[in-house]
Amino acid sequence: ETGVTQSPTHLIKTRGQQVTLRCSSQSGHNTVSWYQQALGQGPQFIFQYYREEENGRGNFPPRFSGLQFPNYSSELNVNALELDDSALYLCASSFMGRRTYGYTFGSGTRLTVV
Amino acid sequence: AQTVTQSQPEMSVQEAETVTLSCTYDTSESNYYLFWYKQPPSRQMILVIRQEAYKQQNATENRFSVNFQKAAKSFSLKISDSQLGDTAMYFCAFLDKTSYDKVIFGPGTSLSVIP
Repeated sequence: ETGVTQSPTHLIKTRGQQVTLRCSSQSGHNTVSWYQQALGQGPQFIFQYYREEENGRGNFPPRFSGLQFPNYSSELNVNALELDDSALYLCASSFMGRRTYGYTFGSGTRLTVV
Repeated sequence: AQTVTQSQPEMSVQEAETVTLSCTYDTSESNYYLFWYKQPPSRQMILVIRQEAYKQQNATENRFSVNFQKAAKSFSLKISDSQLGDTAMYFCAFLDKTSYDKVIFGPGTSLSVIP
């Protein structure tokens, strides 16, 4: 059983640029959620994808967008990067069903905006 | 809106001793899960223990156990026989099942196990 993998592990971008982060979900999972974790804080929910559609969204502006593919992998796109977007971005997969047992997380992508 | 509070930003414990991390949460829902996640310097969030709100019995996983007080909305984590590998950030988390499975995290407690 493979876990959740994220790429790249580290990334440096310039303010105003666009970035795409990638996530492969755990085998058997059908839902992907993205979280932003600023330094020294708990993760904040960005959005969730289920059946290739956005299934819920946190308090993040529209320049944060995503995709889920038929194989349940996912992308997080951030346009017009701002310095405050510097953070660890965590992807988590789960199985949406009658019972949910929590998420399996990847190791994250560390994004630095300069 | 649901919130999760962890009032201990940092804690330390001697190796082999027992430590308890505190967590309180606020919700009006009755159907939810509570979790403790561990985040070592490797950054990966690892599930330590899970509690279903409708279960009165406290969850246990080897050296880890919880004290779930539903009426008080309290969910503390006890680590027995602390080991050096337990050094990490610990996050208390709440899973909202009202519309979609969003997990709300607390601010974390940094635990250091001292040899």
